[in-house]
Amino acid sequence: EAGVAQSPRYKIIEKRQSVAFWCNPISGHATLYWYQQILGQGPKLLIQFQNNGVVDDSQLPKDRFSAERLKGVDSTLKIQPAKLEDSAVYLCASSSLAGDYNEQFFGPGTRLTVL
Amino acid sequence: AQSVTQLDSQVPVFEEAPVELRCNYSSSVSVYLFWYVQYPNQGLQLLLKYLSGSTLVKGINGFEAEFNKSQTSFHLRKPSVHISDTAEYFCAGLNYGGATNKLIFGTGTLLAVQP
Repeated sequence: EAGVAQSPRYKIIEKRQSVAFWCNPISGHATLYWYQQILGQGPKLLIQFQNNGVVDDSQLPKDRFSAERLKGVDSTLKIQPAKLEDSAVYLCASSSLAGDYNEQFFGPGTRLTVL
Repeated sequence: AQSVTQLDSQVPVFEEAPVELRCNYSSSVSVYLFWYVQYPNQGLQLLLKYLSGSTLVKGINGFEAEFNKSQTSFHLRKPSVHISDTAEYFCAGLNYGGATNKLIFGTGTLLAVQP
């Protein structure tokens, strides 16, 4: 079974530029998560989708971050404009069901460096 | 506030020695608890989880953890470590309710195994 795919793996941009990350979850997984992992910290949930609807985006900085999952499968996370403090690893995860515990499977992450 | 605390940012240990990585959780976090491992430039991999039942949980790669409700702890242990165990280890609790399925992570502990 293929795992969670993310691209790109690495991205370097200058502040005020925009950037987008892509995630393809495990086939059949209804729930998709985006986490932000700043160096020296644990991952923090940014947004959770169930199918193509948003379940939780309480920690998403909505003035600059946006995410979509239009067809309920893959997802994109965008930052516009980027700030220095957005430098982090962005992890995508998926699970087969939300509302009852099911294991979250993580992708390899995208490491963003904002200069 | 919901929180998971990992008391040690780094734990150096010699190969074949035993190790314990400490984790404490706040009572407001559900008692669904997890340990994840992150190897360099990779995503998170689930080591083990406690959902209910026996307080001693066995996971992959010879790791185990003990849930202690009175001490609000979930420490990870291995009786004999290998060089290949060198990685970042994250303890996490689950904020679970309705459709929400949010993992609350600690700040991580770097296990550095020396020959």
